[in-house]
Amino acid sequence: DADVTQTPRNRITKTGKRIMLECSQTKGHDRMYWYRQDPGLGLRLIYYSFDVKDINKGEISDGYSVSRQAQAKFSLSLESAIPNQTALYFCATSDTTPPAQYFGPGTRLTVL
Amino acid sequence: RKEVEQDPGPFNVPEGATVAFNCTYSNSASQSFFWYRQDCRKEPKLLMSVYSSGNEDGRFTAQLNRASQYISLLIRDSKLSDSATYLCVVSIGGTYKYIFGTGTRLKVLA
Repeated sequence: DADVTQTPRNRITKTGKRIMLECSQTKGHDRMYWYRQDPGLGLRLIYYSFDVKDINKGEISDGYSVSRQAQAKFSLSLESAIPNQTALYFCATSDTTPPAQYFGPGTRLTVL
Repeated sequence: RKEVEQDPGPFNVPEGATVAFNCTYSNSASQSFFWYRQDCRKEPKLLMSVYSSGNEDGRFTAQLNRASQYISLLIRDSKLSDSATYLCVVSIGGTYKYIFGTGTRLKVLA
């Protein structure tokens, strides 16, 4: 089984809808992250969490919110989806030493 | 100037060739360094961490030059299966921050 899983893998929705993307991990890492990837751009950080009680905004958090339900679960919500949120979304985890990140398979989101 | 810069390629090389990628970073607080491989529309996968003394994993060798602020990846005896985009990633010491390059695309040709 994959160490980091994401659901759904693909989603098409309409402008204004609320969407939740879910991430689960079995790696036992405390640190979890949400990124989005757009063509021609590097991965950009949306939110990150270093433990269940610690939630922090990344560089592009506007229009997004997160919930860390447990050490193993980190959800990303789009409160009111808009077309420029169409992207590939990745969840990642990391340990502290070494700090390499491990990514889930991604969710391809299309907002019409 | 981007914080992490990579030549986007594509690098088109024949099977069996040796190919090298470079990556430069601008933040002097960069502490940890990684190479990831990303296949089209899939997740980045850790290829190797990069250590100051340089390190090797099979056909892959990574080097770090802190003075010049660049990282390199050498792939020997290229295989068709090496075709992918290679991402250079830098983490900033004492922070949550990882900076991703936009990747170098490699195509290994039969």
